[in-house]
Amino acid sequence: GDSVTQMEGPVTLSEEAFLTINCTYTATGYPSLFWYVQYPGEGLQLLLKATKADDKGSNKGFEATYRKETTSFHLEKGSVQVSDSAVYFCALSSGGYQKVTFGTGTKLQVIP
Amino acid sequence: DTEVTQTPKHLVMGMTNKKSLKCEQHMGHRAMYWYKQKAKKPPELMFVYSYEKLSINESVPSRFSPECPNSSLLNLHLHALQPEDSALYLCASSQGTSGSTDTQYFGPGTRLTVL
Repeated sequence: GDSVTQMEGPVTLSEEAFLTINCTYTATGYPSLFWYVQYPGEGLQLLLKATKADDKGSNKGFEATYRKETTSFHLEKGSVQVSDSAVYFCALSSGGYQKVTFGTGTKLQVIP
Repeated sequence: DTEVTQTPKHLVMGMTNKKSLKCEQHMGHRAMYWYKQKAKKPPELMFVYSYEKLSINESVPSRFSPECPNSSLLNLHLHALQPEDSALYLCASSQGTSGSTDTQYFGPGTRLTVL
């Protein structure tokens, strides 16, 4: 079955540091890939997505590239802010629209 | 506009109470979802409605009863819940197109506490 593996958290960074959160996946067919962010006490917000190989999703300074050859979709940001502190979920959708497979989530804490 | 709204934001109920959670979207989406999320875990799918018909029930106990009155509204009726049902309940919607590119948009959730 489909699966998503994310790096274990928490990740603690100083403000303006470079961020990478690793995500790899296993899926049948040609999945779409997503990053969702969940701020404390809130629901999930779609951060970015990519629907085919070599696509780059980007939003609010975050980027991720759909790498079919390495089955990866790593999240990056060049300079994190305290306001980026949240839990980040990598997810995929394949073989139909109704089920999304989520990773376990990576908590990011940015300190001033 | 990609807004999904949920009410109430917080709910405390006893094990003998009956309550309902509400979800609304005005994006013209034809698929709507209920998820349950426990602390420090990813969301778990409970139900999917597609074009106002229940299409997926992930073996959810009957004390949870979903309802989709129209294409914009989704309810979750709660009855005789257990303390372990305390969680964040998330609603989501998507266009409902076939294929993997359909994108789910989530509401802010209802924080449910069962005493």
